[in-house]
Amino acid sequence: QVQLQESGPGLVKPSQTLSLTCTVSGGSISSGSYYWSWMRQPAGKGLEWIGRIYTSGSTFYSPSLKSRVTISVDTSKNQFSLKLSSVTAADTAVYYCARGVLSGAAAGTIDYWGQGTLVTVSS
Amino acid sequence: DIQMTQSPSSVSASVGDRVTITCRASQDIGSWLAWYQQKPGKAPKLLIYAASSLQSGVPSRFSGSGSGTDFTLTITSLQPEDFATYYCQQANSFPALTFGGGTKVEIK
Repeated sequence: QVQLQESGPGLVKPSQTLSLTCTVSGGSISSGSYYWSWMRQPAGKGLEWIGRIYTSGSTFYSPSLKSRVTISVDTSKNQFSLKLSSVTAADTAVYYCARGVLSGAAAGTIDYWGQGTLVTVSS
Repeated sequence: DIQMTQSPSSVSASVGDRVTITCRASQDIGSWLAWYQQKPGKAPKLLIYAASSLQSGVPSRFSGSGSGTDFTLTITSLQPEDFATYYCQQANSFPALTFGGGTKVEIK
């Protein structure tokens, strides 16, 4: 059973960089059948896709966040990471890491999610 | 960008009721649509992919239909554990993902 676990600071000051890591267990992050994504959800609101990374290292980001987002992967540690720069209060949200299906009928869907971690941007 | 619009935003229903949620895409996405269930404080859970395929382990009272721009999630005989928020997600505009705004199923 694949499990994903987010880790990182729960409080970030405005203008600083939010950094989160997702540790994958129960499966290899190097599997070519999947991609790895970050999503977020402000309190009481809907889900927002932040970006994704493939094990090749190729990345794709949401156009609205592209200038501030970096996603990277460390296959030796079975982890991938999110950095979001110049944060403001609007970036306060629960951040989820997730595994996406790369091919077949379920391509593009998210089949495993981390439990989520709340990141608050405040001084 | 493909926009996903769900309706209604909330619905009140009783145990045993049939509930239908609609999701509309701003352009043709074929059958590249998924449905998720999210309970308070929890991560979303994949219910349906490819518009109508049931994810392993999901009860058969959940079903999905539609193609192109109009899609439906139906819950037949609503159970207490089904009270949650449901999201649709388009998987056509790879690599971007877009979610609908969500539909909250509440106890009547």
